[in-house]
Amino acid sequence: NAGVTQTPKFRVLKTGQSMTLLCAQDMNHEYMYWYRQDPGMGLRLIHYSVGEGTTAKGEVPDGYNVSRLKKQNFLLGLESAAPSQTSVYFCASSYSRGSGTSGMEQYFGPGTRLTVT
Amino acid sequence: GENVEQHPSTLSVQEGDSAVIKCTYSDSASNYFPWYKQELGKGPQLIIDIRSNVGEKKDQRIAVTLNKTAKHFSLHITETQPEDSAVYFCAASTIQEYGNKLVFGAGTILRVKS
Repeated sequence: NAGVTQTPKFRVLKTGQSMTLLCAQDMNHEYMYWYRQDPGMGLRLIHYSVGEGTTAKGEVPDGYNVSRLKKQNFLLGLESAAPSQTSVYFCASSYSRGSGTSGMEQYFGPGTRLTVT
Repeated sequence: GENVEQHPSTLSVQEGDSAVIKCTYSDSASNYFPWYKQELGKGPQLIIDIRSNVGEKKDQRIAVTLNKTAKHFSLHITETQPEDSAVYFCAASTIQEYGNKLVFGAGTILRVKS
């Protein structure tokens, strides 16, 4: 199993450009998440999905859109990139809310480093 | 909403010594507390987690303790090794019917000197 994969690994955008980040998981997980990581701030949840065709806002959703057309894929879109969106973006997935702690673990991808100039 | 504070921001220890990282949370409804390790250029990886009905959990050289009354939890690493050097994040969430929205601390850079 490849686990969680993200494409691209690096990207440089100019202000106002758009792009889509792709996350794919091969673990048949129900839940998928997009986070951003900024220095000194840990990871912050952007959007998440509890199943195919469903999405919900996280802590910092402004300026981003998401789609979950297939269970294994979760796309993060930036319609008009801004310098404030320069960050490292991580996708994660988990099986379910689980019982005990099994099923709770979120598996993270390797990240996409985005720079907006 | 939930707020998680993590201390210290950096920690240097000698190989073989113990390391302790502490986190506090604000939402008394939080009931799931994972710890993640992130190596340079990689995504976070779960190393241990605990639910609020348990006060302590151990896995070989790592342990987590939880004090619900004081709303703080700690990561303990014993007999540290150079490969323990990484960034460690604590997180908290309330287990919900749908999804598991983690709120992360700001991270601790752990350096193990050999």
